[in-house]
Amino acid sequence: AQSVAQPEDQVNVAEGNPLTVKCTYSVSGNPYLFWYVQYPNRGLQFLLKYITGDNLVKGSYGFEAEFNKSQTSFHLKKPSALVSDSALYFCAVRFTGRRALTFGSGTRLQVQP
Amino acid sequence: DAGVTQSPTHLIKTRGQQVTLRCSPKSGHDTVSWYQQALGQGPQFIFQYYEEEERQRGNFPDRFSGHQFPNYSSELNVNALLLGDSALYLCASSLGDRDFNEKLFFGSGTQLSVL
Repeated sequence: AQSVAQPEDQVNVAEGNPLTVKCTYSVSGNPYLFWYVQYPNRGLQFLLKYITGDNLVKGSYGFEAEFNKSQTSFHLKKPSALVSDSALYFCAVRFTGRRALTFGSGTRLQVQP
Repeated sequence: DAGVTQSPTHLIKTRGQQVTLRCSPKSGHDTVSWYQQALGQGPQFIFQYYEEEERQRGNFPDRFSGHQFPNYSSELNVNALLLGDSALYLCASSLGDRDFNEKLFFGSGTQLSVL
């Protein structure tokens, strides 16, 4: 079955330290992968996407993600976390031929001052 | 440039009632998708509208229906409300239905509580 998983409910990191939010997927064919962020009482905001090409994708607010086909992963990263990065992060995948995005369960990122 | 707007922001209904949620897409967008986000979960796709037609539907019962108007705005209707329908309902807009890589712009959602 095609699916996307975020294995961590919460990630805690100190301000200034690098952060990683994990995402793995299970799909046949080539997926289109996305990261969205949700701040309290707000809708989701697009961060970045991987369609094809370079495995390292750069996005908004200094975030980047690395596509790893052999490990079927698409982890979100940032070299230096900010307190303002604290939010709920969703990995999403669009499967071939489907219009819908399938979202993971979300990972809450807490950046401590 | 207005983004995606949804109304109302909050709604309280009782079981068995019917509800209508509204969405205006971002200026220049013609495709509207609806998602349901239950507490502590990721959004789940309900359906997508383009050219006033439902183009794809997720795993939701027929109690969930929608409509898209000529000005691209959209409504989500839910009949015979159940307690389990309590969730944040998100509307997302995009341009065209052919570029599946197009990023979605989301509204802030309508928080529906069913008592």
